Amino acid sequence: DAKTTQPTSMDCAEGRAANLPCNHSTISGNEYVYWYRQIHSQGPQYIIHGLKNNETNEMASLIITEDRKSSTLILPHATLRDTAVYYCIVRAPLTNFGNEKLTFGTGTRLTIIP
Amino acid sequence: DAGVIQSPRHEVTEMGQEVTLRCKPISGHDYLFWYRQTMMRGLELLIYFNNNVPIDDSGMPEDRFSAKMPNASFSTLKIQPSEPRDSAVYFCASREGVRNEQFFGPGTRLTVL
Repeated sequence: DAKTTQPTSMDCAEGRAANLPCNHSTISGNEYVYWYRQIHSQGPQYIIHGLKNNETNEMASLIITEDRKSSTLILPHATLRDTAVYYCIVRAPLTNFGNEKLTFGTGTRLTIIP
Repeated sequence: DAGVIQSPRHEVTEMGQEVTLRCKPISGHDYLFWYRQTMMRGLELLIYFNNNVPIDDSGMPEDRFSAKMPNASFSTLKIQPSEPRDSAVYFCASREGVRNEQFFGPGTRLTVL
C-alpha cells in the first residue's frame, strides 16, 4: 500500500470548517483513500473513502486532487467532539480474498478550540 | 446493535502470567481483526479471520501470542507468558464482507508489570 504523509497536529475553531490534508504521491491507480479517526480512549472510527471523485457523507467530505497524489478531508462545521487523531490510509480494492490490511500511520491530531 | 464488544476493558497482570482477551464481533460480520496500539509503534494489525478461519497472522509478534475464533460470535487473543513489553491497548474490529468500514471495539488496555 502507498505511504501517506500528514501534518502532526492542527487546530481549528469550533464552528469553522476543518481541512485535513494528506499526501499520497505514490498511490497506485486502483488504490482507494480512506479516512478514519480515533477519539481519545476509543477505537478508530471509519469516516469516508474515495477513489478519484469527491465524496460526501453525513460526517465529512473528501476532496481528491485530479492527479490523486493528495487529498483533503473536510469537516464542515467542527465541534468539540471532533477533537481526535485523523488517519489517512491508502489501500487496494477489497475482495473476498485480498488485501484486508489497514496500515495506520501517525495521523493528524486535530484539536477543536472553543 | 451493541457494536463490537471486548472484555475485559482493563487488565493488569504480572509478568509470566497468561492473559486472555475476548471479542464478540457485530452479528453477521464475517471478518474479525485484532490490532495492538502502543505509543512507539502506533496501531498494528496482528491477525485477521474470515468465516472463523485465520487468514493472515503475519503481524503476530511471536509464539507467545495466539488467537482463536471457535465460532462466528467469539474470538480470543491469548498471551502466554506475558511480558512488560506486551503492555498496550488491544482492539478487535469486525467487518461485513467487502464493505469498506471496519467497526472497532472499545479496546482492552493491558498492563503487564
